[in-house]
Amino acid sequence: ETGVTQTPRHLVMGMTNKKSLKCEQHLGHNAMYWYKQSAKKPLELMFVYNFKEQTENNSVPSRFSPECPNSSHLFLHLHTLQPEDSALYLCASSQVWQGTGEQYFGPGTRLTVT
Amino acid sequence: DQQVKQNSPSLSVQEGRISILNCDYTNSMFDYFLWYKKYPAEGPTFLISISSIKDKNEDGRFTVFLNKSAKHLSLHIVPSQPGDSAVYFCAASSEDFGNEKLTFGTGTRLTIIP
Repeated sequence: ETGVTQTPRHLVMGMTNKKSLKCEQHLGHNAMYWYKQSAKKPLELMFVYNFKEQTENNSVPSRFSPECPNSSHLFLHLHTLQPEDSALYLCASSQVWQGTGEQYFGPGTRLTVT
Repeated sequence: DQQVKQNSPSLSVQEGRISILNCDYTNSMFDYFLWYKKYPAEGPTFLISISSIKDKNEDGRFTVFLNKSAKHLSLHIVPSQPGDSAVYFCAASSEDFGNEKLTFGTGTRLTIIP
């Protein structure tokens, strides 16, 4: 595997379900990000982790719970979601203090909440 | 309040001609400006960037111009090729304790007509 991988690629869940999204980066980076992309909206930053420590929570509802066990893996645990949470969830990674803003994205998980 | 705006949702250009994608921003504190390209069912991929202290950066067929006084940047692709058909996102970077926080525009769908 190379780059940033995400599983599953598609997920349909009911509002009472609990599921998790997984992201893995194979680039040796030490910062990881979760973004949400809704239709006709810009990518919205949700969470940032530097060296496994959460450094940013962009006012995300508690029904989204991130976990970063090490610099290569990032999870997004989902529970009691709402239909408006249906979106493309993208994971990205970068090198801390890189200075150029360049981030590498995974292919995303297309989430549908029914 | 959107800090990065792409006012053209779509653009069609004849193959071989120049494609010009535009982006406006409001925050003078951004350090870098980046362009990402996104194909369907894939994550955004980094294309080219420019430092806020420069006014031009060129990489092969891609050139980014930055006009700080107008808070405007543009991406020129010449000559345009069918493989350039994709959604292009403008992003602006600000550094916060080592985190590269990206603020994205809503994207412009470029279609190259053979």
